[in-house]
Amino acid sequence: KAGVTQTPRYLIKTRGQQVTLSCSPISGHRSVSWYQQTPGQGLQFLFEYFSETQRNKGNFPGRFSGRQFSNSRSEMNVSTLELGDSALYLCASSPGTVTDTNQPQHFGDGTRLSIL
Amino acid sequence: GEDVEQSLFLSVREGDSSVINCTYTDSSSTYLYWYKQEPGAGLQLLTYIFSNMDMKQDQRLTVLLNKKDKHLSLRIADTQTGDSAIYFCAVPLGYALNFGKGTSLLVTP
Repeated sequence: KAGVTQTPRYLIKTRGQQVTLSCSPISGHRSVSWYQQTPGQGLQFLFEYFSETQRNKGNFPGRFSGRQFSNSRSEMNVSTLELGDSALYLCASSPGTVTDTNQPQHFGDGTRLSIL
Repeated sequence: GEDVEQSLFLSVREGDSSVINCTYTDSSSTYLYWYKQEPGAGLQLLTYIFSNMDMKQDQRLTVLLNKKDKHLSLRIADTQTGDSAIYFCAVPLGYALNFGKGTSLLVTP
């Protein structure tokens, strides 16, 4: 079974631009979560999607947004990029159910975003 | 929110056992997780323990859970140089995972 696939692996942008990152979950998984990893703040939760609905959002500004498609694939978008957005962005998927909030999450290798 | 605390560094000699500790503040989670991150890679789910268990063993890995003290530990037996990585304790908070800062394990020959 293929794991979680994130594209692209590396991305370089400049301040003020916007970026879209993509995540394909493990086949059959319906829940997709996004995390930001930086040396200073560690791993921080961005948002979680299930059946195309955002169920939970972390403490990030509105410049960070996401969506999920009917095939469970997900994208996240960051607009008006700032230097502090440089990070490893990780996507995780889990089987997901309507009521079960606690199932093992499997991570992709991430997208390394660098802002110049 | 809840806090998840881990020590930042651990150095062991090859063949010894490694013990990585984690404390958390919320005891309502169903499962508690350990992830491993190697350089340039994402997070690999190592193991997890159900909150009604005290111990889980999986080959060289042993997870101990003390719910009363809200303490979780990961023991790696016969540690190898390939075990050098950062290990994260993760505690669910709603639909999200709350991570510790990670323990960097260095295994020396």
